[in-house]
Amino acid sequence: DADVTQTPRNRITKTGKRIMLECSQTKGHDRMYWYRQDPGLGLQLIYYSFDVKDINKGEISDGYSVSRQAQAKFSLSLESAIPNQTALYFCATSPGGDRSNEQFFGPGTRLTVL
Amino acid sequence: SQKIEQNSEALNIQEGKTATLTCNYTNYSPAYLQWYRQDPGRGPVFLLLIRENEKEKRKERLKVTFDTTLKQSLFHITASQPADSATYLCALDPMNTGFQKLVFGTGTRLLVSP
Repeated sequence: DADVTQTPRNRITKTGKRIMLECSQTKGHDRMYWYRQDPGLGLQLIYYSFDVKDINKGEISDGYSVSRQAQAKFSLSLESAIPNQTALYFCATSPGGDRSNEQFFGPGTRLTVL
Repeated sequence: SQKIEQNSEALNIQEGKTATLTCNYTNYSPAYLQWYRQDPGRGPVFLLLIRENEKEKRKERLKVTFDTTLKQSLFHITASQPADSATYLCALDPMNTGFQKLVFGTGTRLLVSP
């Protein structure tokens, strides 16, 4: 079984719709991250959470919101989707402690906003 | 401005040769660098970590160097195989917050021909 799962894997939606992307992990990690990846651009950090009560904005949080429902679940919402939010979205986790710990990525959600 | 640069052009090499990928950074003082592999449509997978006080790190056919004077990391794959074909990402922690926040390069695509 995958340690970090994302649902849905693919989603096509229309401008103005509300979309939720979900991430679950069985690794027991405290830290969770949401990134987006666009062709020719590096992974860009949207939001990150270091525990259930700690949520922080990343570099490109405008137009997005998140919810950390439990240690294992971290959801990303697009309140009113727009076409330039079309991208590949990744959830990642890492253990607490040493800040150099590796990140473990989910399989990604390909989102298309028409 | 702060930048991480990886060669955006694909690197084409023949099987058995050594592949060398470059990661240059500007206006960061990272305590470590990480390298990830990403296959098309999938999440990045961690490969190696190298700290600022380490000149070189090896893992099987992989070798990473880190030159804090040149602000550069080199990633080598020896005896390359077609299965090594993927995009390779470098990532660093700007160390400007109390917790890990990785910044990723755009990646270099490696193509290994039989």
